[in-house]
Amino acid sequence: DAKTTQPPSMDCAEGRAANLPCNHSTISGNEYVYWYRQIHSQGPQYIIHGLKNNETNEMASLIITEDRKSSTLILPHATLRDTAVYYCIVPHTGANSKLTFGKGITLSVRP
Amino acid sequence: DAGVIQSPRHEVTEMGQEVTLRCKPISGHNSLFWYRQTMMRGLELLIYFNNNVPIDDSGMPEDRFSAKMPNASFSTLKIQPSEPRDSAVYFCASSISRGIGQPQHFGDGTRLSIL
Repeated sequence: DAKTTQPPSMDCAEGRAANLPCNHSTISGNEYVYWYRQIHSQGPQYIIHGLKNNETNEMASLIITEDRKSSTLILPHATLRDTAVYYCIVPHTGANSKLTFGKGITLSVRP
Repeated sequence: DAGVIQSPRHEVTEMGQEVTLRCKPISGHNSLFWYRQTMMRGLELLIYFNNNVPIDDSGMPEDRFSAKMPNASFSTLKIQPSEPRDSAVYFCASSISRGIGQPQHFGDGTRLSIL
């Protein structure tokens, strides 16, 4: 997998936007960026993925820079339930789609 | 819609015993993944299947671990004999294909404690 780098932790106030950064400077042209999160004591949950265009769904928005070397996951109105570990993953394309989970970024949403 | 179903949710057993973890993937999904999560090693892929066939088992720690997928709706991960260092949370995930762009859907995991 292309190596990703995330800060270990961040916090934000409830109701505010949470912007979670990820660096993936070695990403190849056909590799996607995926975001998952893991709430305490639960299994990982898929959030969003993208290739080069910005993406938005009911959970979040994904902004990918033009050179694709970094991306930002945006939770527009963070709630206490968004407190979790967020993983940015760039799996290799090809014969398999294995996900390699790093340490992720721990987001703490404060009241 | 039913998600990925794992059983049991918790398992406590003594070392040396056989442990069997079970997983029912989402209906229609043809890829299934087994992961293990510990504080020390984080979340790591053990094995994955596509269309019931094991594709990559390079993450299986040793011969004490084995996984089967006898049909599209059921998979097992077996540890025999179990050891205390096998204590972890084991997750099963499924996806609709093994191509790019298909997200994996995870179960709630089995918390395994080997005494």
